[in-house]
Amino acid sequence: EAGVVQSPRYKIIEKKQPVAFWCNPISGHNTLYWYLQNLGQGPELLIRYENEEAVDDSQLPKDRFSAERLKGVDSTLKIQPAELGDSAVYLCASSLDSLPYNEQFFGPGTRLTVL
Amino acid sequence: GQQVMQIPQYQHVQEGEDFTTYCNSSTTLSNIQWYKQRPGGHPVFLIQLVKSGEVKKQKRLTFQFGEAKKNSSLHITATQTTDVGTYFCAAFANDYKLSFGAGTTVTVRA
Repeated sequence: EAGVVQSPRYKIIEKKQPVAFWCNPISGHNTLYWYLQNLGQGPELLIRYENEEAVDDSQLPKDRFSAERLKGVDSTLKIQPAELGDSAVYLCASSLDSLPYNEQFFGPGTRLTVL
Repeated sequence: GQQVMQIPQYQHVQEGEDFTTYCNSSTTLSNIQWYKQRPGGHPVFLIQLVKSGEVKKQKRLTFQFGEAKKNSSLHITATQTTDVGTYFCAAFANDYKLSFGAGTTVTVRA
């Protein structure tokens, strides 16, 4: 069974430029998460989807970040414009559903560097 | 902010020795999960604890959930180089959001 797929793996951009990350969750997983991981820290949730609905986006900086999961399968996270402080690893994860007792499966992440 | 606090932040271990890392919360937790992230890798689920006082073992790893469900520990015996990485505890409180600790980064001296 294929795991969570993310692309690109690495991205280097200049500040004020836009950037987009793509995630394809494990087949059959209804819940999809985007996390931000800074160096030396644990992942922090940005947004959670149940199928195509964003059910928790309280931590998403909506002035510059946006996300979509149009068909309830793959998802895109966008930053426009990027700032220096956005440099981090962006992790996508999925689970069968959002019940607290389900494990989350993480993708390899996209390492973003903003210059 | 982080709901769970992990100590120590770094653990330098001689190969073959044992060590323990701790995860603490000020609130009662419904359950706790542990993940491992290898250097340059992504978090991988290790185990979940649900019951008060629960103890689970995976080979050389022993996981424990406190009686009050406010703390957890991970004990590794006879540390090997394959144990290198960062161990995160993560917990749900009253919502569906999983909050991760800052992790304990383990390095091993051969």
